[in-house]
Amino acid sequence: QVQLVESGGDLVKPGGSLRLSCAASGFAFSDYSMSWVRQAPGKGLEWISYISNGGYTIYYADSVKGRFTISRDNAKNSLFLQMNSLRVEDTAVYYCARDIDGQYYDSGLYQVFYYYYMDAWGKGTTVTVSS
Amino acid sequence: SSELAQDPTMSVALGQTVRITCQGDSLRTYSATWYQQKPGQAPVLIIYGKDHRPSGIPARFSGSSSGTTASLTITGAQAEDEGDYYCTSRDTRGNLRVVFGGGTKLTVL
Repeated sequence: QVQLVESGGDLVKPGGSLRLSCAASGFAFSDYSMSWVRQAPGKGLEWISYISNGGYTIYYADSVKGRFTISRDNAKNSLFLQMNSLRVEDTAVYYCARDIDGQYYDSGLYQVFYYYYMDAWGKGTTVTVSS
Repeated sequence: SSELAQDPTMSVALGQTVRITCQGDSLRTYSATWYQQKPGQAPVLIIYGKDHRPSGIPARFSGSSSGTTASLTITGAQAEDEGDYYCTSRDTRGNLRVVFGGGTKLTVL
């Protein structure tokens, strides 16, 4: 079955760095785009980064752009998140997720709609940034 | 602040119907996706595309949309439906980043 397992979370001081990993199994990893999503304590979900299946298209949320770098190794079925210049507000549970993009035609509305979802999630890894 | 707006809290009596809404301009182009999250657990996909449910998601969950508002309806709410519900779509303001609603905490009374 599809499985995503995050690792690398730790306690780190402000300004420090950390590298998160996500090991994928049970599916053809190289066929899927992937994302990282985080959740600060007591807060909602925040998408932070996306990488296409081949690694050529990458997006970041403004909150992490310039500090975090997403990458993947399709040969090792692994997704990574390099986190630099960490801030207290980066404290969160970090999830990796498998992305699905598509579209359909709504014949009732005579309109094409797009859809996007994350159909598989890991259990998350905890990053705590504190002095 | 989220580009998708949700009511922060809602409640429903056991066995009754509740509609959780999500409002945002991106929903004119993207159908909303809905996730359920329970404390200490990862989110679970419950609705995607035009009212599609992944296998294992009960039929009491359904999705609909009109204009810039998407709705998740739970028909005959059960105690195990208590949790947080998030809507999401891609941003349509010139980039393809992902936006989440702020979440709705549902209490089943």
